Amino acid sequence: SAVISQKPSRDICQRGTSLTIQCQVDSQVTMMFWYRQQPGQSLTLIATANQGSEATYESGFVIDKFPISRPNLTFSTLTVSNMSPEDSSIYLCSVLTSGRYDEQFFGPGTRLTVL
Amino acid sequence: AQKITQTQPGMFVQEKEAVTLDCTYDTSDQSYGLFWYKQPSSGEMIFLIYQGSYDEQNATEGRYSLNFQKARKSANLVISASQLGDSAMYFCGSTSYGKLTFGQGTILTVHP
Repeated sequence: SAVISQKPSRDICQRGTSLTIQCQVDSQVTMMFWYRQQPGQSLTLIATANQGSEATYESGFVIDKFPISRPNLTFSTLTVSNMSPEDSSIYLCSVLTSGRYDEQFFGPGTRLTVL
Repeated sequence: AQKITQTQPGMFVQEKEAVTLDCTYDTSDQSYGLFWYKQPSSGEMIFLIYQGSYDEQNATEGRYSLNFQKARKSANLVISASQLGDSAMYFCGSTSYGKLTFGQGTILTVHP
């Protein structure tokens, strides 16, 4: 298993500003992902955070809006840029461990409200 | 591409009874995995159970079992002996190369 922490746990931000969310894992992991969960909705994959290279974004998500860094195998950041109220969501990081099957562990999430 | 369908927005069950949450999937992958996660009101995502597409036996984890019917492309979750703490949102998902695709979720309410 893996223990994942996220900072901040929640924040209230003003329109037009940016917020950087941190994800820290207690062990080295092969893959890290960022998901968004809009209010009352399911989770949607934003991107795969690649160690030492640019993140791989899913359709509908772009690097200018959601820049991601992953400087090592235990840490990643997601920035939500130029925020609007539509960005109000829970943002979760997840990690894929090298277990016997593809079990992903999720961080506790960051609840973001944009005014 | 993968698609997960959960047709039950909400389900109710009496404490100590069993309940089945439905999930169907659509994928073009030959090898894939199917998951169920629980999300309580706190928002955390709790892994419950996993089924590989080539697993011949249905997966079980304590009170949770996954009724896998490959020909029907269904992966229903069965919770036995429901407890009040089982009240939560439940997401079915599939995995391909580590990426998870989730269904819309089912809210389960357990009545005393």
